[in-house]
Amino acid sequence: QSVLTQSPSASGTPGQRVTISCSGGSSNIGSNTVSWYRHLPGAAPKLLIFSNSQRPSGVPDRFSGSKSGTSASLAISGLQSEDEADYYCAAWDDNLNGYVFGTGTKVSVL
Amino acid sequence: QVQLVESGGGMVQPGRSLRLSCAVSGFSFSNYGMHWVRQAPGKGLEWVAVTSSDGSKRHHAESVKGRFTISRDNSKNTLYLQMNSLRMEDTAVYFCAKAKWHSGAYYPLDYWGQGTLVTVSS
Repeated sequence: QSVLTQSPSASGTPGQRVTISCSGGSSNIGSNTVSWYRHLPGAAPKLLIFSNSQRPSGVPDRFSGSKSGTSASLAISGLQSEDEADYYCAAWDDNLNGYVFGTGTKVSVL
Repeated sequence: QVQLVESGGGMVQPGRSLRLSCAVSGFSFSNYGMHWVRQAPGKGLEWVAVTSSDGSKRHHAESVKGRFTISRDNSKNTLYLQMNSLRMEDTAVYFCAKAKWHSGAYYPLDYWGQGTLVTVSS
């Protein structure tokens, strides 16, 4: 059972904005930065956001991240069909001395 | 370009052992921490283990502690995961991944392999 909790699903129509939340605790999100990953079945996961809000080169600015206290969120604006995937938040946990992933959110484009 | 290629997966009986390998290229392997992450069928991503760039520091998830060991050979640009006393719940696709920074924190994970499937079944 993951220590980072995400809503199981989110959806929107093309062009809409979708927000995914990630809830943790003081030993993970409260103490360390948050990253977000996108994962398509059968493919390698991809880093979307690191250090709470930074985008690696090549990731479009439609993706944005934020963090407040022990929670974080990922926003996808201008939703596109290729955004259908599973999205995971992650952070280092000082109590567990390990990296923890969120439960994952499946994004659907209607 | 950066490449990570896992190998060594397969079907194994409960209680047996398996060693996974991750061959890397395209970056200076000995400068970066490396991870193993897995995904069981129908489940989410689960972090398994991390090793520091020189292999002197290692951390493992509670679910595999005492059974799995992460290691690396910097002369061969290869990461390993020795899996002993395998259980059915270890069935998963195992990914290796590279830490983004060459010093300090072990995260985020900026490059991942395609994964190798491990099936534990009698």
